[in-house]
Amino acid sequence: DTGVSQNPRHKITKRGQNVTFRCDPISEHNRLYWYRQTLGQGPEFLTYFQNEAQLEKSRLLSDRFSAERPKGSFSTLEIQRTEQGDSAMYLCASSSRGQGVSNYGYTFGSGTRLTVV
Amino acid sequence: AQSVSQHNHHVILSEAASLELGCNYSYGGTVNLFWYVQYPGQHLQLLLKYFSGDPLVKGIKGFEAEFIKSKFSFNLRKPSVQWSDTAEYFCAVTSGTYKYIFGTGTRLKVLA
Repeated sequence: DTGVSQNPRHKITKRGQNVTFRCDPISEHNRLYWYRQTLGQGPEFLTYFQNEAQLEKSRLLSDRFSAERPKGSFSTLEIQRTEQGDSAMYLCASSSRGQGVSNYGYTFGSGTRLTVV
Repeated sequence: AQSVSQHNHHVILSEAASLELGCNYSYGGTVNLFWYVQYPGQHLQLLLKYFSGDPLVKGIKGFEAEFIKSKFSFNLRKPSVQWSDTAEYFCAVTSGTYKYIFGTGTRLKVLA
């Protein structure tokens, strides 16, 4: 068990560019979550996958954001036409069916820090 | 809507001092409560959780938290902090779904 892996750790991009982040969850976990954390705030929920199905998207996830989880394994989060307000830490977490948030909590990754200049 | 308030944004303590971090939530129904810790450069880690039963919950590294339903509070405590406790602490709540609502966090600095 190597934990939840996120790549890259840091990304600096120019406004208007597209960026894509990757999350590799713990292999036996079928549930995957994305959160966003801005400076001085706690993590905010973005979206949730159960296997390959995206079951919920937050209103924070504008049309410029898209997340996928092909084959129910790794997940990608893409931001198109980045804006300075997108600068944040993007966190991925995973859990298994028997380890919902009501049981053991998630396992979080270390996050991808995005800076839009 | 659910919300979580952490009133102490920054706390500075000397080693061996006692710690109490406040957490209040707003939700009228049954809740599950959590404290997470984020050490510098590391990922969020679960410290402790409350679902039901004994309102005094013990977690890892000597931390404990008390659920007071009448006050909608879930304060985190540690009798004697160490330098290694320097971290950011997040309180979180869920009403039983898969989604956390996090507080804004408290940055704790422990002076050696």
